[in-house]
Amino acid sequence: GESVGLHLPTLSVQEGDNSIINCAYSNSASDYFIWYKQESGKGPQFIIDIRSNMDKRQGQRVTVLLNKTVKHLSLQIAATQPGDSAVYFCAENIGDAGNMLTFGGGTRLMVKP
Amino acid sequence: GAVVSQHPSWVICKSGTSVKIECRSLDFQATTMFWYRQFPKQSLMLMATSNEGSKATYEQGVEKDKFLINHASLTLSTLTVTSAHPEDSSFYICSVGAVYTDTQYFGPGTRLTVL
Repeated sequence: GESVGLHLPTLSVQEGDNSIINCAYSNSASDYFIWYKQESGKGPQFIIDIRSNMDKRQGQRVTVLLNKTVKHLSLQIAATQPGDSAVYFCAENIGDAGNMLTFGGGTRLMVKP
Repeated sequence: GAVVSQHPSWVICKSGTSVKIECRSLDFQATTMFWYRQFPKQSLMLMATSNEGSKATYEQGVEKDKFLINHASLTLSTLTVTSAHPEDSSFYICSVGAVYTDTQYFGPGTRLTVL
């Protein structure tokens, strides 16, 4: 079936550098996307979301980019800090599915001091 | 975002016993809650959708008689793992669906270890 997938399972970056985490989705009916951060032993934490009528959305140190043409989603973290080390999941929602989300496989971000 | 709690945060039980996990929405009324299971180094797997006042909707392959879900109020959903076995050991996470967006907000999770 259709699913959300990720290009890189592990990303290692130097503290202070920018991080880019990618996500590919295949369901063209998806119209809402969310990035979650999950630290070890904790539940996922909402980071940022974007609807399909937008191609970019910015938060505090984070930016989500959506390219509907190639069905690609990315999360950019500026000036990555040790506290950013976690697993990041993208999730997609189909418009007529209420709050139902489909999760990608996750990318582990490791920040080197 | 919504504030969600889970209790207990961890539990160890003997094989064959039943374990109840509570999920509470602390700051708004949640008509829909979701239950996920997560194995180490894996993504979240949706087990069931819990609807207030009605039966839960289970995902394919999830035994409804083994994983009992009750959503008796707008702020509380419970997951009971009946006759637990070691293979049920996992991280169980609940979430609430926000009515004003399509977002889900997650609880802190419950680590279940079955000996």
